[in-house]
Order: sequence, then C-alpha cells, then structure tokens
Amino acid sequence: DAGITQSPRHKVTETGTPVTLRCHQTENHRYMYWYRQDPGHGLRLIHYSYGVKDTDKGEVSDGYSVSRSKTEDFLLTLESATSSQTSVYFCAISASLAGEADTQYFGPGTRLTVL
Amino acid sequence: ILNVEQSPQSLHVQEGDSTNFTCSFPSSNFYALHWYRWETAKSPEALFVMTLNGDEKKKGRISATLNTKEGYSYLYIKGSQPEDSATYLCALPVEGGNKLTFGTGTQLKVEL
Repeated sequence: DAGITQSPRHKVTETGTPVTLRCHQTENHRYMYWYRQDPGHGLRLIHYSYGVKDTDKGEVSDGYSVSRSKTEDFLLTLESATSSQTSVYFCAISASLAGEADTQYFGPGTRLTVL
Repeated sequence: ILNVEQSPQSLHVQEGDSTNFTCSFPSSNFYALHWYRWETAKSPEALFVMTLNGDEKKKGRISATLNTKEGYSYLYIKGSQPEDSATYLCALPVEGGNKLTFGTGTQLKVEL
C-alpha cells in the first residue's frame, strides 16, 4: 500500500469555523491531490499540487485553499466551513514519471460533517 | 470539461454470473484511461491503466478492453463473487495532464 495518511479521519465542526485537513505521504511523490466524494457526483478534484509551493485549482475549488510547504504534506483548508462542505475528502498522490500515464494512489479518507 | 460516462449506474448479479460495464469518453485526444475499484468504507484502488487502442488488461477474474476510436472501455468480471461487490470507477486525464476526471461509477452488488 502507498504510504498515505490523512488526519483527522473524522471531524464534526460548526458552520463558519475554519478547518484544516492534512495529507501526509512517505513515497516522495511529486503530485498530490484533494478530492471530495458526494453521492451522484463521484470524486471531484478540489485542488492539486505539482511540487512544493506549486498548486492549482480543480473542478470544485471555491471555499477551499491548499498549501504545500514540504513534499510530504498537503493541507486542505476550509476557510469558513458550510454545510455544503459536508463530505468525505480523499487525498491522492502520483509519481508523474515522464512518458507514463500516472496511477493515483488514495489515502483512507476524512469524513467531515459541518453542522 | 471532459465528459466521462459510466453505465449502468448500478448492477445486481448472482454469485457465479459474469458481468460487464462500460466507460464512455470523447474519442478525440485520448491519452489514457484508468479503472479503479472502490469498496464501501475504503479508498479507491487502482486496477488498470490503459493507453493503446485494442489494449486488453487482466487481473485474475477481472479484465478490461479499450476502443479509443469509438470512445469506450469495457470492464468484465468473470464468475462474480461477493467480494467483487464495489463501485468501479473509470477516469481520464484532462488534456493529457495529471488531473483526472472521474465517471460517477458503476455500483456492483454480488448476491449469494
């Protein structure tokens, strides 16, 4: 199994509070991703990173920010949590080797509930 | 936005049945197609990466084919077992890059 951990694994918070989710990898992979999983939508990309301090938006980035100060850590912050951000959040990593179609490896997920 | 469609949305089969489902995608500018298996309460697990027209991959009782000219891939499961119950996702890279667009998946339930 790829060495990916997410913390916390479960969180309940209140509307309007900031929340930070952490993804940690031990694989030294260049690319890291944050997805959310919602019924009827499958997995949707929130943000991704292609290197330290290099990030870009995904399909559903509004209300989220990210940071990557070290190769191994990718943080997802909900600046002011809303009930619509209740979801399961997955982190993924990929090696992005030249000429290969990269497999993404997923972390265990974080279940976030915003009351 | 890359349109990736999977059908059927859900499928119930009996143990021992063989089954298949479809991932459809735009046939222009194809780069690669990924299949993932996602069990309930777990994280998605990579099954195959397919890159060439006519490609066929196999892992145990699960196999996949690819037709890039007509824009579809089939995933086959031979002799379904209860442990095959999962959601099967396909995904394609956006513009050949590292971002993947996922289909909404086919949920398979194998009953005894």
